Amino acid sequence: DAGVIQSPRHEVTEMGQEVTLRCKPISGHDYLFWYRQTMMRGLELLIYFNNNVPIDDSGMPEDRFSAKMPNASFSTLKIQPSEPRDSAVYFCASRRGLGRETQYFGPGTRLLVL
Amino acid sequence: AQTVTQSQPEMSVQEAETVTLSCTYDTSESDYYLFWYKQPPSRQMILVIRQEAYKQQNATENRFSVNFQKAAKSFSLKISDSQLGDAAMYFCAYRRLGSNYKLTFGKGTLLTVNP
Repeated sequence: DAGVIQSPRHEVTEMGQEVTLRCKPISGHDYLFWYRQTMMRGLELLIYFNNNVPIDDSGMPEDRFSAKMPNASFSTLKIQPSEPRDSAVYFCASRRGLGRETQYFGPGTRLLVL
Repeated sequence: AQTVTQSQPEMSVQEAETVTLSCTYDTSESDYYLFWYKQPPSRQMILVIRQEAYKQQNATENRFSVNFQKAAKSFSLKISDSQLGDAAMYFCAYRRLGSNYKLTFGKGTLLTVNP
């Protein structure tokens, strides 16, 4: 299995631009999670989906952030407009919901907003 | 709400020696999962070991083992024969039983391995 795939791995953009991060979960996993990691705040859960439906988006910082999961093999996290304080590493993770399943993380996208 | 506490922001160990990272958690549940994740400089999160609370036996994965003390709500990670590649940030995490529950992470412990 290829594991959780994220793209791009690195993104540098200017303040005000739209940023789209992409994630492909492990095949057969029905839960997908988006996390943000910064030095100041540590690892934060932003939103997670079950069977493509958002379950808990209470961690999404503000309306500039949105996430979608149009099908079982693809999700996006969009920031519009981006701000320098959005600079962070964004992780996608997935797991299978049945049983005592482990969550698997992608390699992360390192975002820098100038 | 569940909380996970890692009281050691930083630890260091000599290569080939043994080190133990501490983790405590707070929960009213009787069954749950506990995890240790490793985050090397590449920033990827890698699962190191998993423990199911209903199992009395401590989990072991090669040089990594845990000391799970359910009554004390303690879940420490022991790394034996430390290697330079073990240098990383280590996160302890908790999850309630049941599909719709999310991971709760500690703040992490930065482990340095000295040659």
